[in-house]
Amino acid sequence: GAVVSQHPSWVICKSGTSVKIECRSLDFQATTMFWYRQFPKQSLMLMATSNEGSKATYEQGVEKDKFLINHASLTLSTLTVTSAHPEDSSFYICSAAPGDRGDYGYTFGSGTRLTVV
Amino acid sequence: QKEVEQDPGPLSVPEGAIVSLNCTYSNSAFQYFMWYRQYSRKGPELLMYTYSSGNKEDGRFTAQVDKSSKYISLFIRDSQPSDSATYLCAMSVSGGYNKLIFGAGTRLAVHP
Repeated sequence: GAVVSQHPSWVICKSGTSVKIECRSLDFQATTMFWYRQFPKQSLMLMATSNEGSKATYEQGVEKDKFLINHASLTLSTLTVTSAHPEDSSFYICSAAPGDRGDYGYTFGSGTRLTVV
Repeated sequence: QKEVEQDPGPLSVPEGAIVSLNCTYSNSAFQYFMWYRQYSRKGPELLMYTYSSGNKEDGRFTAQVDKSSKYISLFIRDSQPSDSATYLCAMSVSGGYNKLIFGAGTRLAVHP
């Protein structure tokens, strides 16, 4: 089945530094990947849609200069949280689906827990 | 009003019980409906997906969609402690790589 790998699974960083999160589709090519953010006991909030070879599409209210997305290949998308602050602490999850699937069963990565101290 | 409403629970049931999870929505354009299961500190796992109205069954899980009432359900038969997780409904307007709108998620605890 479709597998999405996300790395790292958790990271602690100091305020003001940048953190990069990787999302890889292991056994399929993904022209489109999605990045979500989830606060404790809350649902997933779509941050942006990552498209291979082009600029990401950000949801309203998401700072594109703060959350940099790069989708340089058909199997890798990265999310960089720049100048992180404690309020950026959250659970970040990516998702993707094979291009030939007729259904909408997006596969999610295992998530990255970011703590900014 | 949120596009998708889902009771966050928690819902606690004994092992073997039938569990009913529900979501309502306001956007009549939604056509694709999904249920995901999420264990603590993990990414969501797709359980069921349906297109338009109707029922779909997969093992102990049954998904129902009633577009006339803008109401979807997930039933879990013979619930097990391993079913303890948060269940998220999700929906989208059209096919392809269309963004999903999630409900808040319902926390389920199945006790032995």
